[in-house]
Amino acid sequence: IQLTQSPSLLSASVGDRVTLSCKGSQNINNYLAWYQQKLGEAPKLLIYNTNSLQTGIPSRFSGSGSGTDYTLTISSLQPEDVATYFCYQYNNGWTFGGGTKLELK
Amino acid sequence: EVQLVESGGGLVQPGRSLKLSCVASGFTFSNYGMNWIRQAPGKGLEWVAYISSGSSYIYYAETVKGRFTISRDNAKNTLYLQMTSLRSEDTALYYCARRGWRWDVMDAWGQGASVTVSS
Repeated sequence: IQLTQSPSLLSASVGDRVTLSCKGSQNINNYLAWYQQKLGEAPKLLIYNTNSLQTGIPSRFSGSGSGTDYTLTISSLQPEDVATYFCYQYNNGWTFGGGTKLELK
Repeated sequence: EVQLVESGGGLVQPGRSLKLSCVASGFTFSNYGMNWIRQAPGKGLEWVAYISSGSSYIYYAETVKGRFTISRDNAKNTLYLQMTSLRSEDTALYYCARRGWRWDVMDAWGQGASVTVSS
C-alpha cells in the first residue's frame, strides 16, 4: 500500500487549526498511525488506529478517517508543533507516507 | 524509562558489510517485537525489517531482502541488523524501534545509527 501525504509543506500561524491529509492506494481499514519528527530527533508516535491518542500526547492532536482517506488535525497550533509529520499504515505490510513539513508563518 | 541505543554505524565501501546493534533497557525486551526503520538524508521513513519477540516471525522490505538479516539476543537485550552487499542507496540513519504491545505500531525509537556507503 502506498501512502500519499498532502500538502508536502504547510505554513500556519500559532493558534491556527491545521489539517494534514494522508491517502492510501488501497483500503487501510483504519490501521493508520501518525508520527511527529522534529529536526534532529527520532519520530514520536502521536496517533494509532486512526484516532487513538498515544499516552502523553496533547489533546490538541486528533485523527480521523476511514477507507483510504485519513486526517491529522491540530486544533490550535503551538510553536513546539513545528515538525514533519508522517502517516504510517499497518493494514498490509508496513509503509510510511512521504511526510508533511509544518512550519510557522 | 524505555531506552533504545543503536551502535555500529559508519562509513563503508559498496559491497562490504556492516552490523548494527541496538541495546534496549527500561522494559522487558523479550516480550516485544522489534523493527529496523531507516531514513535516507533529507528523505522519509522506510521500514526495513521486523522480528517477533521470540524470533519466530521475521519479515524484510523487498529492497533489503537477501542482503540484510535481523536477529536478536534476548539474554543480552540486544537487537541486530547484519547488512551485506551494501549499496549507495542503503546510506541512511537506521533506527531501531519497538513494536507496540497490542498494535502494530512503533511506540519507542532509538536515536539512530548513521550508515554511509561510499567509495
